Amino acid sequence: AQKITQTQPGMFVQEKEAVTLDCTYDTSDQSYGLFWYKQPSSGEMIFLIYQGSYDEQNATEGRYSLNFQKARKSANLVISASQLGDSAMYFCAMRERRGGAGSYQLTFGKGTKLSVIP
Amino acid sequence: KAGVTQTPRYLIKTRGQQVTLSCSPISGHRSVSWYQQTPGQGLQFLFEYFSETQRNKGNFPGRFSGRQFSNSRSEMNVSTLELGDSALYLCASSPQGAPAEAFFGQGTRLTVV
Repeated sequence: AQKITQTQPGMFVQEKEAVTLDCTYDTSDQSYGLFWYKQPSSGEMIFLIYQGSYDEQNATEGRYSLNFQKARKSANLVISASQLGDSAMYFCAMRERRGGAGSYQLTFGKGTKLSVIP
Repeated sequence: KAGVTQTPRYLIKTRGQQVTLSCSPISGHRSVSWYQQTPGQGLQFLFEYFSETQRNKGNFPGRFSGRQFSNSRSEMNVSTLELGDSALYLCASSPQGAPAEAFFGQGTRLTVV
């Protein structure tokens, strides 16, 4: 079973509009973390935002915010005021404790390709 | 503060050869993880090193190996290359005790012909 599900393979948004990218996750751990990354065509994974499982407030970083609904196990990324440079693949990832003491592992979703239209 | 540096950026190898990829983490970061990204399988965890010790390993054959040096730089090695090893290999670095941070390098794009 997939641990991270991104149901939108592709999304289009008009420049200056807001867009929500969906992410649901599955874990039995009490302590975990959720990340969103942006991957332009160059390949680099760019960190956008992080939400810890115990964080009560939704995370925000500039134009990015994370809509965290723990009971529903969802962690949707909201991008406000879209820009042409936002066109890229977006990945949701979950950090879980695995392996030796202090070791963490990221599990990624399949990604959503966002295209911003002028 | 310099980011995560991966070298080389691009590689073309022949089936059967071996390859070594390098990753220099952000200064002060002691945890280095490696991921393989392919169109079919997406992003998959390879292994994680901390203080020169492998703490965790993903579900990859023994042809994939790695190591970490005392300065936290890490290398991964793939022996007896197969066509299916063609992928983008990404390295991520994290500081100790702060798993809210995981920063990636630009990746090494390996093509096996």
